[in-house]
Amino acid sequence: AQKVTQAQTEISVVEKEDVTLDCVYETRDTTYYLFWYKQPPSGELVFLIRRNSFDEQNEISGRYSWNFQKSTSSFNFTITASQVVDSAVYFCALNLGNDYKLSFGAGTTVTVRA
Amino acid sequence: ETGVTQSPTHLIKTRGQQVTLRCSSQSGHNTVSWYQQALGQGPQFIFQYYREEENGRGNFPPRFSGLQFPNYSSELNVNALELDDSALYLCASSLEGTGGGYTFGSGTRLTVV
Repeated sequence: AQKVTQAQTEISVVEKEDVTLDCVYETRDTTYYLFWYKQPPSGELVFLIRRNSFDEQNEISGRYSWNFQKSTSSFNFTITASQVVDSAVYFCALNLGNDYKLSFGAGTTVTVRA
Repeated sequence: ETGVTQSPTHLIKTRGQQVTLRCSSQSGHNTVSWYQQALGQGPQFIFQYYREEENGRGNFPPRFSGLQFPNYSSELNVNALELDDSALYLCASSLEGTGGGYTFGSGTRLTVV
């Protein structure tokens, strides 16, 4: 069985501050994929990043960066210099290598104030 | 390249009724998954269809059923609606074997009264 935990329910920041979202996952599989999705008020889940279990290299993509650490089963996500348009619910999700489903965390609501 | 389209966007039904939700896959995708998202929670996997057959199912009762058509579009049917079925229903399409490149639609907001 797999499980994703997002301990932070809500985060509120002022524009231009950095925001780090925590994600801890559980799985016994050695092959898996980790995702971050953004859900604005419109409801659509917008894909942000994907990482497979064999690649722990942390990267930066524009204002987004992530920190994947298998040793602690964590996949944290950072928004640098936040903007009001970043306000949304952010979900961390896990997909096993040959599985057919995404297992989502409960989500973290991010509010960026002008 | 068109994205995933869901219809209707909003729906109100009475307890005990039946409902059909529709989803058009993104061009080039051959797999469709359905998720239920209750208010304030993360999406929960209902089932997935590949090549017009159910390819996996989450912890949902048989009154939740689906179809996938030759053009890869899909329907989600829910019979004997209960108040707890009120949720946002999300459809996601993907290309089988690509390690989860899912594209989600904007969902159908179902309210059961």
